[in-house]
Amino acid sequence: DTGVSQDPRHKITKRGQNVTFRCDPISEHNRLYWYRQTLGQGPEFLTYFQNEAQLEKSRLLSDRFSAERPKGSFSTLEIQRTEQGDSAMYLCASSSRQGIETQYFGPGTRLLVL
Amino acid sequence: DAKTTQPTSMDCAEGRAANLPCNHSTISGNEYVYWYRQIHSQGPQYIIHGLKNNETNEMASLIITEDRKSSTLILPHATLRDTAVYYCIVRVVDGATNKLIFGTGTLLAVQP
Repeated sequence: DTGVSQDPRHKITKRGQNVTFRCDPISEHNRLYWYRQTLGQGPEFLTYFQNEAQLEKSRLLSDRFSAERPKGSFSTLEIQRTEQGDSAMYLCASSSRQGIETQYFGPGTRLLVL
Repeated sequence: DAKTTQPTSMDCAEGRAANLPCNHSTISGNEYVYWYRQIHSQGPQYIIHGLKNNETNEMASLIITEDRKSSTLILPHATLRDTAVYYCIVRVVDGATNKLIFGTGTLLAVQP
């Protein structure tokens, strides 16, 4: 069990550019979640997948954001036309559908939009 | 999911027990209490969870009051590495509602 991994750990981009983040969940975890965390706040839910199906999306997930999990394993989160307000930590978590579904988080990707 | 209330910050001396309270007075019968912590610039780390009974694991103990309206996370011998923001979350585990709703948590500062 190597835990949830995220790549990159840090990303600096200029406003208007597109960025993509990757999340690799714990193997055999069929549920995957994306959260966003701004300074001084707790993480906020963005979206969640069960296998390859995206089952819930937050209103925070504007049309500039898109998430995929094409084969039910890793997931990508893309932000198009980045804005300074997108600067945040993007966190990925995974869980198994078995039992009480504890979510385990990755280290996050810190995005800075200049 | 029920709302939780936690103190903004707490101090604890190294080696002493840290007792972190959480109020969840509107908790429903099928909602679990979860605790996570987040050390600076890292992802949240799962600590413990419970429904009705007190729980203990290698990291901490969770004490839930009989009416389930509040709980206390206990770190028995706090170390400097326990300095973190601690989040108390209540959620239904029913396969349908899966997201965690975080508040602003309690910043625990362990002092040498």
